Amino acid sequence: DSGVTQTPKHLITATGQRVTLRCSPRSGDLSVYWYQQSLDQGLQFLIQYYNGEERAKGNILERFSAQQFPDLHSELNLSSLELGDSALYFCASSLSPKYEQYFGPGTRLTVT
Amino acid sequence: AQSVTQPDIHITVSEGASLELRCNYSYGATPYLFWYVQSPGQGLQLLLKYFSGDTLVQGIKGFEAEFKRSQSSFNLRKPSVHWSDAAEYFCAVVPYTGTASKLTFGTGTRLQVTL
Repeated sequence: DSGVTQTPKHLITATGQRVTLRCSPRSGDLSVYWYQQSLDQGLQFLIQYYNGEERAKGNILERFSAQQFPDLHSELNLSSLELGDSALYFCASSLSPKYEQYFGPGTRLTVT
Repeated sequence: AQSVTQPDIHITVSEGASLELRCNYSYGATPYLFWYVQSPGQGLQLLLKYFSGDTLVQGIKGFEAEFKRSQSSFNLRKPSVHWSDAAEYFCAVVPYTGTASKLTFGTGTRLQVTL
């Protein structure tokens, strides 16, 4: 158990819908990261927050957005869902951007 | 372009045999280097990390990795594999400079262990 929690574990939804994935970092960690894992793209970095501020963006679609709240938990919002958005979404956290990242168990999103 | 290469997609070893998983990176400077393991249906678990210093690093579950600057490699090794080591292994790097620290992953190596 890494100490990073993600909810829900599984999510099944239809095309065009919007979902929110939630992440709670390890106690004391200020940085939160989101990654997407799919068969065709592998593990891809989406976005990073540090103490509430966005620090880096990767290959994140405009339909996707995220935020980190004052209590340091983070949410990833995915809208206008397409079949190709089906993937495992991981959250990771670290003490700061200079330290190793610990991953949560992931949320498996299935878009039908 | 910056990249991480894991040349072996799939490796099969017998239980008790030694293991080496290869990882090569292409970056302007020495990045931070990591190995993660993912069991089926599970998240990613950090096995070990290299930031600086001793080029041979020890990790959890009996794994070790050696950083070789001249070869831009960070290969993962284990002297004696157990059946429970069957999983997918990912090498990852983070640029050394800057405050952004997005991990760039290799494509992974799937390890199968035969009894």
